Amino acid sequence: DTGVSQDPRHKITKRGQNVTFRCDPISEHNRLYWYRQTLGQGPEFLTYFQNEAQLEKSRLLSDRFSAERPKGSFSTLEIQRTEQGDSAMYLCASHDRLNEKLFFGSGTQLSVL
Amino acid sequence: QQQVKQSPQSLIVQKGGISIINCAYENTAFDYFPWYQQFPGKGPALLIAIRPDVSEKKEGRFTISFNKSAKQFSLHIMDSQPGDSATYFCAASRGYNQGGKLIFGQGTELSVKP
Repeated sequence: DTGVSQDPRHKITKRGQNVTFRCDPISEHNRLYWYRQTLGQGPEFLTYFQNEAQLEKSRLLSDRFSAERPKGSFSTLEIQRTEQGDSAMYLCASHDRLNEKLFFGSGTQLSVL
Repeated sequence: QQQVKQSPQSLIVQKGGISIINCAYENTAFDYFPWYQQFPGKGPALLIAIRPDVSEKKEGRFTISFNKSAKQFSLHIMDSQPGDSATYFCAASRGYNQGGKLIFGQGTELSVKP
C-alpha cells in the first residue's frame, strides 16, 4: 500500500489528557499537510511541512497543538490537555507537487469525553 | 469568513440522472479548483480539478464547468450511480506553492436512488 497511512484510526480520551497521532505520507512527496474536519463540514487547514520544516500554521492551531516531522518522513500531531471542542477527524495529506494532487489518509477520529 | 460557498447541502438524484453541485468563491487570487469525494470513515479523494484558463474539463462521467467572471464553478456527474452516493467537496487554493493548502466548501451529501 503506497497511500497515506494514519494511526490510530480512532482515539477516545478524557478531557485533559494528551494524545498523539501519526501520519506516514507517500514516500516521494516532500510536503505533508494536517487538516481537521468536524461533522458536516469540509476539512480545515491546520499546518504543513516541507521536508522537516514546518512552514505554516493556521490560527486554528492553538498552543496546545504541536506537530513535528523529524527527518522529513513521518509526522506526528500532539494535542495537550484535550478539550471537548477538539473532537474531530484529523486528516493528514501528502502533496504531489508535480501533478498538483493532494492525497488524504483515512484520518484519525478523536472523541474527547 | 467563508471563502468558498457550496450548494446544495444535500441532493437526491435518480439512477441515471445528472447530479449538479455548485460552488462560488470570493478570492480572485485562487487559481486551482479541485473537487473531492468522501465516503463515510474515509479521507477525501481527488476526483477532478481545473485551473481558470479553461472553462470546462471532463474526465469520464465527471465534468467541471468554470465561470471566471462569475467566480463560480460546478461539478456535473452524468449517469449518476448508487455507488456515487457520497459527500462531495469543492475547494480552492492560490498559487502553485499553495496547492496543498486548500479552502474547502461545506460539502454536498449526494444520494443516488436505484
